[in-house]
Amino acid sequence: QKEVEQDPGPLSVPEGAIVSLNCTYSNSAFQYFMWYRQYSRKGPELLMYTYSSGNKEDGRFTAQVDKSSKYISLFIRDSQPSDSATYLCAMTGGSNYKLTFGKGTLLTVNP
Amino acid sequence: EAEVAQSPRYKITEKSQAVAFWCDPISGRATLYWYRQILGQGPELLVRFQDESVVDDSQLPKDRFSAERLKGVDSTLKIQPAELGDSAMYLCASSNEPRGEQFFGPGTRLTVL
Repeated sequence: QKEVEQDPGPLSVPEGAIVSLNCTYSNSAFQYFMWYRQYSRKGPELLMYTYSSGNKEDGRFTAQVDKSSKYISLFIRDSQPSDSATYLCAMTGGSNYKLTFGKGTLLTVNP
Repeated sequence: EAEVAQSPRYKITEKSQAVAFWCDPISGRATLYWYRQILGQGPELLVRFQDESVVDDSQLPKDRFSAERLKGVDSTLKIQPAELGDSAMYLCASSNEPRGEQFFGPGTRLTVL
């Protein structure tokens, strides 16, 4: 079993839809959780950074962490065509500071 | 936020040749990372520097890959000789501290023929 599992999609939604992106993990030491957005042929861009369990909101984006279930989510409200990208979850914890990424979910928002 | 600079953006080389990638992180960010991202996968860490010192190179294929950060600022990643399986995006990232937010550069897309 991989340490971080992410549904690769692709996911296609109409403009204005609510999008839910999810990752599961197996390493109990993970405490810091991130979501990155990556446009085609570009480097990843940090969207959300959270520590431990709970919710964090930033504009149309909400990150949710449930450590008891080892499950994290990113919600995008009122999705826009400009949100079309690959979304990567990433996490770290323990003593080695290594950031472990999911495979990424390709999202397309259709106008 | 200032970007992490990387060059070249694209590199095509033949197998068995040597290639080098350069990264200039945001000024003052002490921790620097090199990642490799194969198409359809998430980035995987190759090496992490704290200032000029390598603190994690456990995933770096040391028979052909080398990395240096001589003055604790910019960094170079080298592959010699390149193999077909090295075709990937090579990403540089930096952070203020080892567990801090990591900011990525645009990457170098390597194609080995």
